[in-house]
Amino acid sequence: GNSVTQMEGPVTLSEEAFLTINCTYTATGYPSLFWYVQYPGEGLQLLLKATKADDKGSNKGFEATYRKETTSFHLEKGSVQVSDSAVYFCALSDPESDGNQFYFGTGTSLTVIP
Amino acid sequence: ETGVTQTPRHLVMGMTNKKSLKCEQHLGHNAMYWYKQSAKKPLELMFVYSLEERVENNSVPSRFSPECPNSSHLFLHLHTLQPEDSALYLCASSQEPTLAGGPGELFFGEGSRLTVL
Repeated sequence: GNSVTQMEGPVTLSEEAFLTINCTYTATGYPSLFWYVQYPGEGLQLLLKATKADDKGSNKGFEATYRKETTSFHLEKGSVQVSDSAVYFCALSDPESDGNQFYFGTGTSLTVIP
Repeated sequence: ETGVTQTPRHLVMGMTNKKSLKCEQHLGHNAMYWYKQSAKKPLELMFVYSLEERVENNSVPSRFSPECPNSSHLFLHLHTLQPEDSALYLCASSQEPTLAGGPGELFFGEGSRLTVL
């Protein structure tokens, strides 16, 4: 079946530090992969996505590369800011096998301190 | 208004009450979803409506009853809930996925924080 596993949090970093949040997936087909971000008191919003192997999604300085050989989609940012403090969710969708179903990880809480 | 709007943002109810959560999307999407978000757990998909027909019901207890009167509105009717049902309930919408275009991106509302006493 399809599933997503992401690293447990919480993660605390100093401003300008390098960020990596690991995400691995299991899929029966050829899924699309997503990172969503949830700021305090808000719903989830799409941060970036990749629809096929070797694609790189990027937005707001964040990047993630769809690695089929390692079934991974790790989120990275070179220099985090206090405003990046949020919960980050890795997600997978494969309409061919699962229609409208999206599979989310448990979320990783990031706190950036000045 | 734009995006996905959920009301109320906060709801406190007793176990014998009946209440409803409302979701409205202004994006022209044709699929709508209810998710439950509890602490330390993955997002749980509860219901999916595609083209106003329910296509997914992930073994949700009957005390949760969805209604989708049209493609822009989605309700979650609540009755005789339990304290463990306290959570953030998120509504989302998307365009129906296509094989050519891939899955539609999910757009979420800000959620309704439910507390059951």
